[in-house]
Amino acid sequence: DTGVSQDPRHKITKRGQNVTFRCDPISEHNRLYWYRQTLGQGPEFLTYFQNEAQLEKSRLLSDRFSAERPKGSFSTLEIQRTEQGDSAMYLCASSAGHRGVDEQFFGPGTRLTVL
Amino acid sequence: ELKVEQNPLFLSMQEGKNYTIYCNYSTTSDRLYWYRQDPGKSLESLFVLLSNGAVKQEGRLMASLDTKARLSTLHITAAVHDLSATYFCSAGKSTFGDGTTLTVKP
Repeated sequence: DTGVSQDPRHKITKRGQNVTFRCDPISEHNRLYWYRQTLGQGPEFLTYFQNEAQLEKSRLLSDRFSAERPKGSFSTLEIQRTEQGDSAMYLCASSAGHRGVDEQFFGPGTRLTVL
Repeated sequence: ELKVEQNPLFLSMQEGKNYTIYCNYSTTSDRLYWYRQDPGKSLESLFVLLSNGAVKQEGRLMASLDTKARLSTLHITAAVHDLSATYFCSAGKSTFGDGTTLTVKP
């Protein structure tokens, strides 16, 4: 399967703990996006990488959230000191970044539950 | 700040009927995307619209874009049960609407 993969698929944690999620994009894609989605809402943009450079970060993203994409391949999203409001589906998407098109392909998501 | 609004948010249709979902966006955008999401699943890309007047069709779904009106439509023709899902539009690079949940009933 050459699609976008995410790990883990589900994560249950206690409030105050740190969690880290991984995303492996489609291999030839140079752009990688992280989104958060809660029930009944559309995906909310968190951050975006072009190769290894983090080019954009949502103003809504608190400093408890950090993302990396070393070497421009896989990416990790870390949430420190989790809060119950962080419970959501975290989606990763990648795109080839072709001029003007930028069609995004989504992974299956990581569902986070903070108790 | 770019904002995207979809309507209706919920749509219940009879099989065989036609209907249109609307997607309005607040500022100039050079691209518009439509996605489908089934319950508990991730998003699947349906259409990419890049220019004013663009129209794309796949099966019973047809999407169009009017950049002057800042409006895209997703038209459903002769709905079937398999089309039941939530449909999202996205403008710009990463701004999504809240989705239209479509239920097609026999």
